[in-house]
Amino acid sequence: AQKVTQAQTEISVVEKEDVTLDCVYETRDTTYYLFWYKQPPSGELVFLIRRNSFDEQNEISGRYSWNFQKSTSSFNFTITASQVVDSAVYFCALSEAGRNFNKFYFGSGTKLNVKP
Amino acid sequence: DSGVTQTPKHLITATGQRVTLRCSPRSGDLSVYWYQQSLDQGLQFLIQYYNGEERAKGNILERFSAQQFPDLHSELNLSSLELGDSALYFCASSFTDRGLNGYTFGSGTRLTVV
Repeated sequence: AQKVTQAQTEISVVEKEDVTLDCVYETRDTTYYLFWYKQPPSGELVFLIRRNSFDEQNEISGRYSWNFQKSTSSFNFTITASQVVDSAVYFCALSEAGRNFNKFYFGSGTKLNVKP
Repeated sequence: DSGVTQTPKHLITATGQRVTLRCSPRSGDLSVYWYQQSLDQGLQFLIQYYNGEERAKGNILERFSAQQFPDLHSELNLSSLELGDSALYFCASSFTDRGLNGYTFGSGTRLTVV
């Protein structure tokens, strides 16, 4: 069965600290896609990154970086030097290339509080 | 602005009523997806339309229905509303019938049933 687990319900850090948001997934498909979305207090869902199952290269985008490890079925997200504007709920999601290709399975989200 | 437009942004209605949520996909996108975000269930896939045809169904109640019109906008109809239907309803769109390249989400409609 497809499942995305974000075990950290809420994390609080002080500005400029680094923080890692964990995501563990389950799927039987060999080809799948992983995503991270940000939901700020205003409510909209903002796309951050998409990762293919056959590309384990880590990615860095400014203060954001992602660590994809198929061996542990994890796709963790690190924010370096966090800022107050990073405060939001972050969702990890899985989409499969097989039968259920047209829907996402979202984790329950991790609420990140960045304090000044 | 993501390009996906959802109206209304907020809706307050009484139990037993019926409401219609509207979504205009990003220009050029043929697929529309509906998701429900509630406190207890998280983000749940409801239904997908591709170029006017229903393509996939998720955890959508029988009291709920949707359609996609020739101009590609979509409507989600919620009837016999219950308190538990209070949630944020998101629409997303993509160019293909597959969400593998990621969706673009609208800003959501917050439904409050009182």
